[in-house]
Amino acid sequence: ATQLTQSPSSLSASEGDRVTITCRASQGIRNELGWYQQKPGKAPKLLIHAASTLQSGVPSRFSGSGFGTDFTLTISSLQPEDSATYYCLQDYTYPLTFGGGTKVEIK
Amino acid sequence: EVQLVESGGGLVQPGGSLRLSCVPSSFAVINDWMSWVRQAPGKGLEWVANMNRDGSEIHYMDSVKGRFTMSRDNAKKSVYLEMNSLRAEDTAVYYCVRDSNYFYNNGWYRKFDPWGQGTLVTVSS
Repeated sequence: ATQLTQSPSSLSASEGDRVTITCRASQGIRNELGWYQQKPGKAPKLLIHAASTLQSGVPSRFSGSGFGTDFTLTISSLQPEDSATYYCLQDYTYPLTFGGGTKVEIK
Repeated sequence: EVQLVESGGGLVQPGGSLRLSCVPSSFAVINDWMSWVRQAPGKGLEWVANMNRDGSEIHYMDSVKGRFTMSRDNAKKSVYLEMNSLRAEDTAVYYCVRDSNYFYNNGWYRKFDPWGQGTLVTVSS
């Protein structure tokens, strides 16, 4: 199975900071990767698909990049409502797999 | 706004069975791939299974193969997950999610959207 390793596992940043989360795949997955945001007690929400395509309705401060094995999710200016856990998901090969998650907290 | 509603979760003893159901609010949603994703208490997300539009193609994660069966009834606009031989490690919130499969720029991609609210399955004696 393709393993996805996210880093860091958690981070704390101030409002307005630029935040970057990385997701590394154990094998090349082209750009078949999505990013999801999950707040406590809620279902996940799609942010980005195909590595860099912003889902409709998602704020433009979120962006994604990468191809092959290395991917990043960037929040250009962190807002209080961005406090959540973020997951990457590869859809290149079965079984589909998620990264372990990155918990983002606001200082 | 399209919604997905899961039901069927509950407490079951190890070795027991449960059947989860998922009903979308929009008929259009059922004309797409569907997935089940689970999340153990305090843990991360784990993809469980998915199925194509007419049910002719189904995929499972290794640990549920032979125990879980995904199915759908397009006439009833419903998707199901039959879970047998349940183990303590199957304890989780189970989410139903539309697994949109689309072709773009010479490649196939997936979008998991929308998600249901989840239903809790607890396997314990």
